[in-house]
Amino acid sequence: GENVEQHPSTLSVQEGDSAVIKCTYSDSASNYFPWYKQELGKRPQLIIDIRSNVGEKKDQRIAVTLNKTAKHFSLHITETQPEDSAVYFCAATPPPGTYKYIFGTGTRLKVLA
Amino acid sequence: DADVTQTPRNRITKTGKRIMLECSQTKGHDRMYWYRQDPGLGLRLIYYSFDVKDINKGEISDGYSVSRQAQAKFSLSLESAIPNQTALYFCATQASGANVLTFGAGSRLTVL
Repeated sequence: GENVEQHPSTLSVQEGDSAVIKCTYSDSASNYFPWYKQELGKRPQLIIDIRSNVGEKKDQRIAVTLNKTAKHFSLHITETQPEDSAVYFCAATPPPGTYKYIFGTGTRLKVLA
Repeated sequence: DADVTQTPRNRITKTGKRIMLECSQTKGHDRMYWYRQDPGLGLRLIYYSFDVKDINKGEISDGYSVSRQAQAKFSLSLESAIPNQTALYFCATQASGANVLTFGAGSRLTVL
């Protein structure tokens, strides 16, 4: 079955710097890769996603890149702000018919003012 | 606004007790999921359902059962709670043909 590894588990950056979180997956048939943000005491919410037929996707200060050959994808946050402090989860989903997200173990991002 | 509602939000119970966590949604989604969140372990799938008569086991279903009483309701039961079931539990919904999961606010369960 699919396995998703996420690194680092914690990340501290100075406000204004960039942050990068990396995930690797094992099932080459996985075709959808979302990123969820969970603020303290809140529910996870989708912030960006990418499909296997796309190499990069941007939305303002956040971007996701996908390398299918190496089976890894990354979340990039530029010009970090205090409100970016949260736990970020990556996930991989096998092809249609299984519908089971496999989540990474999460990265706690702290943006230091 | 359409939402996913979980009850109770917090529950403390004792070993051996039966516990039910309830999830209801007004989003009109067909698919519903129960996840468990533990520090350092991410979100792990317990059970999922695509319709009222459809129940499927996830990664960690042992010790849990579910009931899909209606399209909008999906309950998680712990027949005999044990301390290592202490965790934060999330219900999530998903529209058919879509990928995005919409999570409830979570139910924090403590088993003493």
